Amino acid sequence: KQEVTQIPAALSVPEGENLVLNCSFTDSAIYNLQWFRQDPGKGLTSLLLIQSSQREQTSGRLNASLDKSSGRSTLYIAASQPGDSATYLCAVTDNQGGKLIFGQGTELSVKP
Amino acid sequence: DAGVIQSPRHEVTEMGQEVTLRCKPISGHDYLFWYRQTMMRGLELLIYFNNNVPIDDSGMPEDRFSAKMPNASFSTLKIQPSEPRDSAVYFCASSLRGAGMGGYTFGSGTRLTVV
Repeated sequence: KQEVTQIPAALSVPEGENLVLNCSFTDSAIYNLQWFRQDPGKGLTSLLLIQSSQREQTSGRLNASLDKSSGRSTLYIAASQPGDSATYLCAVTDNQGGKLIFGQGTELSVKP
Repeated sequence: DAGVIQSPRHEVTEMGQEVTLRCKPISGHDYLFWYRQTMMRGLELLIYFNNNVPIDDSGMPEDRFSAKMPNASFSTLKIQPSEPRDSAVYFCASSLRGAGMGGYTFGSGTRLTVV
């Protein structure tokens, strides 16, 4: 059974810092991996999607990497801003491209 | 496209009542998912459909929960009878398998409170 773990559960940093969020998964037979952002009381916003054949994806200040063989992904946020404060969720799709399995998320707080 | 549309946004009901949550996926998407989010258990997949056919309902907690997708543009999740432990945020999501772009799109969710 696929399990997704995110470390740390919560993170507080001062504005301007670069930071890394970690995600690990137990079954490497995935179709893709996706990072989401969730603001309090809101839905999920897709940030980055990495296909199983890819190593990384970049969007603005965000960079996500994928090492399928070791079952790990990282989300790198450069020059963090207070507006980055949210919960970040990692999710993997099973090999049939069907269901998403989510981690518990990392709650990020960026202090001005 | 307006994205995945869920209704209602909030629902407060009394224990024992029937609750129906609604979802309109993105046009052209062939997968539809129902998730439940709670503080204790995070995001859990309840059921998903492919081309309107239920594929995996192993996450449906018990027989009180049922889901239908009568056509490609509409799905419902019904709880009957509702219980306080069903209180959660219910999300609907849709995706286009194999497109390689965009991944999954989530609705804004329905916050259900059963008192």
